[in-house]
Amino acid sequence: EVQLLESGGGLVQPGGSLRLSCGASGFTFSSYAMNWVRQAPGKGLEWVSSISGSGRAIYYADSVKGRFTISRDNSKNTLYVQMNNLRAEDTAIYYCAKERAVAGVMDFDYWGQGTLVTVSS
Amino acid sequence: DIQMTQSPSTLSASVGDRVTITCRASQSIGRWLAWYQQKPGKAPKLLIFEASSLESGVPSRFSGSGSGTEFTLTISSLQPDDFATYYCQQYHTYSRTFGQGTKVEIK
Repeated sequence: EVQLLESGGGLVQPGGSLRLSCGASGFTFSSYAMNWVRQAPGKGLEWVSSISGSGRAIYYADSVKGRFTISRDNSKNTLYVQMNNLRAEDTAIYYCAKERAVAGVMDFDYWGQGTLVTVSS
Repeated sequence: DIQMTQSPSTLSASVGDRVTITCRASQSIGRWLAWYQQKPGKAPKLLIFEASSLESGVPSRFSGSGSGTEFTLTISSLQPDDFATYYCQQYHTYSRTFGQGTKVEIK
């Protein structure tokens, strides 16, 4: 059974940093691209970043480019996002999501339960 | 970035109704479109991929159609478990974008 479990969320002041983790199990982690998607309170879904299975291909939404860094440790089956210079508008539930297939740009067949990041003074 | 626009934003319907949600892309995305269902406090759930392929385990009352810039999600006979918010998502480009969502409410 595929499982994704995010951790690391919390309250942080504007300008601060936070690192989120997503532990994966039930599939060959290194074969699949992984993504972070966020959802501000009461709002819709926003794709944040993706990383290929090898970690060599990385993409970011313009809203986080230069502030967020996605990475993965395939030996630990874990996905990360380092979030720096956080702003109030980064307040959201952050989900990790697995791509449905191993090749190409894909939709997301499994999602974690999410972790809440609140940026506030 | 490709913009995705859903309509309506809110839909009031009764159990047993046939429901259709539309998603329009700002440019052609072929058939690279997915539909997700999200219930309050839960993660999104994949329903449809490649515009019309039903994800495993999803009831057959859900169906998708379309290509290019216009797509639809249809629920043939709305069930109590279907009251939720639905999102479309394009994956024609790596910068995947979602529609703003359609909330299906009880009439």
